[in-house]
Amino acid sequence: GAGVSQTPSNKVTEKGKYVELRCDPISGHTALYWYRQSLGQGPEFLIYFQGTGAADDSGLPNDRFFAVRPEGSVSTLKIQRTERGDSAVYLCASSRLLVRTGADTQYFGPGTRLTVL
Amino acid sequence: AQKITQTQPGMFVQEKEAVTLDCTYDTSDQSYGLFWYKQPSSGEMIFLIYQGSYDEQNATEGRYSLNFQKARKSANLVISASQLGDSAMYFCAMSSVQGAQKLVFGQGTRLTINP
Repeated sequence: GAGVSQTPSNKVTEKGKYVELRCDPISGHTALYWYRQSLGQGPEFLIYFQGTGAADDSGLPNDRFFAVRPEGSVSTLKIQRTERGDSAVYLCASSRLLVRTGADTQYFGPGTRLTVL
Repeated sequence: AQKITQTQPGMFVQEKEAVTLDCTYDTSDQSYGLFWYKQPSSGEMIFLIYQGSYDEQNATEGRYSLNFQKARKSANLVISASQLGDSAMYFCAMSSVQGAQKLVFGQGTRLTINP
């Protein structure tokens, strides 16, 4: 089946502008995660959705960042008043979140490369 | 808090040789999961292998195996019979098994397979 998709693949914007990044998870996956990966680093957690609600947003760096998942499927990460330091690859992942003893595998999308000039 | 440490920034291996990528972790959780992901130059994170903290046997997936030593808090990835296509960044990650299973990643190891 189809994997996680993210649009756009690349986004170039100017400092101070507003951007939206979209994630379409694997069908049937109830858990959705956003991560940010800076150059030469491992991904860092931003926010987690279980269904429609943000169950953990502890990774959002400040109140310029916000994410929604209104119907429990597609999610949008929104960044207001972008800064040059927001430049990174934004990765989305989804998982089935089965009730079992182990952790669930997260499957990642190709990411959106955001460049703030 | 959870932490992953990957001490090898880069590894160079001859094609067809086996390679071990090191990963140590720290957590206060009793139950947790350990993962390895591959990130080629295209940028996509590809899941390779998973090990649960209570799994008694080391996980294997084709040419990938995870050398899990719980007492040492290590979860090394072993790739047998390396191929040119294995050249990529490799990330070790862990998560809790309860609540938000957010992944904590290490800094990664860049593996280069030489012909």
